[in-house]
Amino acid sequence: NAGVMQNPRHLVRRRGQEARLRCSPMKGHSHVYWYRQLPEEGLKFMVYLQKENIIDESGMPKERFSAEFPKEGPSILRIQQVVRGDSAAYFCASSPGGTPYEQYFGPGTRLTVT
Amino acid sequence: SQQGEEDPQALSIQEGENATMNCSYKTSINNLQWYRQNSGRGLVHLILIRSNEREKHSGRLRVTLDTSKKSSSLLITASRAADTASYFCATGPLYNQGGKLIFGQGTELSVKP
Repeated sequence: NAGVMQNPRHLVRRRGQEARLRCSPMKGHSHVYWYRQLPEEGLKFMVYLQKENIIDESGMPKERFSAEFPKEGPSILRIQQVVRGDSAAYFCASSPGGTPYEQYFGPGTRLTVT
Repeated sequence: SQQGEEDPQALSIQEGENATMNCSYKTSINNLQWYRQNSGRGLVHLILIRSNEREKHSGRLRVTLDTSKKSSSLLITASRAADTASYFCATGPLYNQGGKLIFGQGTELSVKP
């Protein structure tokens, strides 16, 4: 049973470009979470999705960030017009249900904005 | 303000010693979880303790939860060099049924051989 897959593992973008981060949850998991980790900090919740639904986006910046989890295919976190402050590690996690299930994390995508 | 603040921020011990990390939080929770992160890697789930539980064991790990003090501790017994990592506590808020976790800043544990 493959774990949570994220790609790419490393992504370099110039300021103003778009970044697309992909996450495939563990088999059988229909709940996906995105977190962001800035250097030397803990993880910050961004968004929680189920198939075709955004359940909680309270941690998403109001502009430039969007997320989706389509009926088929991986979950996508999209950052438009990236700025240097977007440089961080973005982690995806999945679980078989909502609270209080443990979450299984992917290896992360390290985004560097130059 | 942020939940799950760990103490200490960094801990250095010798192999074979026990390591204790503490976590405090501010609001009511449904559950509390501990994760480990090796440098530059993803997080590995260690243990989940529900708000109606007081103690839980898993191998060399022991977690306690005191909801009256809004605090938890993680004890790693007989530490090994391979335990060197950052440890995070994460809380599941009571009134959020969505399952999002709120992470602390982490404790960086260094176990010297």
